[in-house]
Amino acid sequence: GEDVEQSLFLSVREGDSSVINCTYTDSSSTYLYWYKQEPGAGLQLLTYIFSNMDMKQDQRLTVLLNKKDKHLSLRIADTQTGDSAIYFCAESIDDYKLSFGAGTTVTVRA
Amino acid sequence: EADIYQTPRYLVIGTGKKITLECSQTMGHDKMYWYQQDPGMELHLIHYSYGVNSTEKGDLSSESTVSRIRTEHFPLTLESARPSHTSQYLCASSDYRATSNGYTFGSGTRLTVV
Repeated sequence: GEDVEQSLFLSVREGDSSVINCTYTDSSSTYLYWYKQEPGAGLQLLTYIFSNMDMKQDQRLTVLLNKKDKHLSLRIADTQTGDSAIYFCAESIDDYKLSFGAGTTVTVRA
Repeated sequence: EADIYQTPRYLVIGTGKKITLECSQTMGHDKMYWYQQDPGMELHLIHYSYGVNSTEKGDLSSESTVSRIRTEHFPLTLESARPSHTSQYLCASSDYRATSNGYTFGSGTRLTVV
C-alpha cells in the first residue's frame, strides 16, 4: 500500500516544541521527507531522513524514524509564528515517485 | 528561489472552456509530475513523465491530459472545464532517481471553474 497518514491539525504556543507525527506503509521506502507549505505557495522540502537512520537533527528540526512501527515524526523546537504552515510527510515509493499524506496544519498562537 | 514555474497562479474560468496550465523547470530534471491538492486531502498524483515523449497516468483518475515535448516543459490541459475540476494543481520535478533532494515544487495554480 501507499498510504501515508497524519493528523490534520496541531495548535502550539509560541516558544513551545511542536511534534508532528506520520505513519507510512511501504517498508521499502528509501527516503522519508517532510515538506512545508505556506499559504498560497507550493511545497518546500524541509528535511529528509534516509531509511537506515533513526534520527536526524538540523538546527531546530529533529526527525525521528521508527522503521519497525513505520512511524516518522518531526519536532520543531522553539516554535515561531513563521512556522505556521501545512506540513506534509512523504515516502519514496520507488525510484521516481513519492506518496504524500494529507498534511498537518500547524497553528502557532501567541 | 524557485526553479520551477507555474502559470497562471490563479484562474477563474467558465464551464466548458479549454484551459492549459503551464509548468516549466530550468534544472534539467527528467521526471515531472502533476498533483491535485484539495484542502485536508492527500496530494493526488494525476500525471507524471519520465522524460521527453513519456507520459503516464497517476493514481487519481483525471480528465486532463499532458504532453512532454521538451524536457523543461510539462503542460496540463483540460479540454472542457467543469466545476468538479476546481482545485489546486501542483507541478513538481525530480532527479533521475529518488534522492535526498526529493521533489522540487512549483507554487501551484489555483483553478476555479464556475
